Amino acid sequence: QVQLQESGPGLVKPSQTLSLTCTVSGGSISSDGSYWSWIRQHPGKGLEWIGYIYYSGTTYYNPSLKSRVTMSLDTSKNQFSLKLSSVTAADTAVFYCALRRGVGPPYYAMDVWGQGTTVTVSS
Amino acid sequence: DIQMTQSPSSLSASVGDRVTITCRASQSISSYLNWYQQKPGKAPKLLIYGASSLQSGVPPRFSGSGSGTDFTLTISSLQPEDCATYYCHQNYITPYTFGQGTKLEIK
Repeated sequence: QVQLQESGPGLVKPSQTLSLTCTVSGGSISSDGSYWSWIRQHPGKGLEWIGYIYYSGTTYYNPSLKSRVTMSLDTSKNQFSLKLSSVTAADTAVFYCALRRGVGPPYYAMDVWGQGTTVTVSS
Repeated sequence: DIQMTQSPSSLSASVGDRVTITCRASQSISSYLNWYQQKPGKAPKLLIYGASSLQSGVPPRFSGSGSGTDFTLTISSLQPEDCATYYCHQNYITPYTFGQGTKLEIK
């Protein structure tokens, strides 16, 4: 079955760009109907959906972060990535990658998640 | 954005109890409602999708119901391993949003 694993620096300086990669195993990142997603969770808080990149490359970003977010696919490595620019301490969070897929409306869900990676923004 | 409001925010129940968590959407989301269970230090785990479909491998004591704006997650007989935080999640209209979570403790 599909498994996801996040990777990237655990510490980022303020004003820099946070870069994370999610490696997909057990399946193809080019699978029809796959929405490769990013979600974050601030310490002790709830879940915030950041956005997704569709298997075709189409992206949708949460408007609250849109100006700072870029997502991309690397089909050669079976990976997708997240870049978040101009980070501040408020971006400190656990970041999860996830796969949203379904069998047809309304049966869509993020049913596969990575274990999560903690990113701290601090000088 | 669609706001998802869960109630209660926390609850404490005994093993064997029937537990109900509700989730209300600020506008209709049809049946595009999923429920997740999250334990400390772990990623969320999908329990229910499409408001009422049980995810493969999830014990049948978990069930979901509702459509439109009002939804319910029910645990028919609470087990010790059900101690966790539960989130509802709408993926009908972007940006997708989550409820604030319900922390379930075992008495």
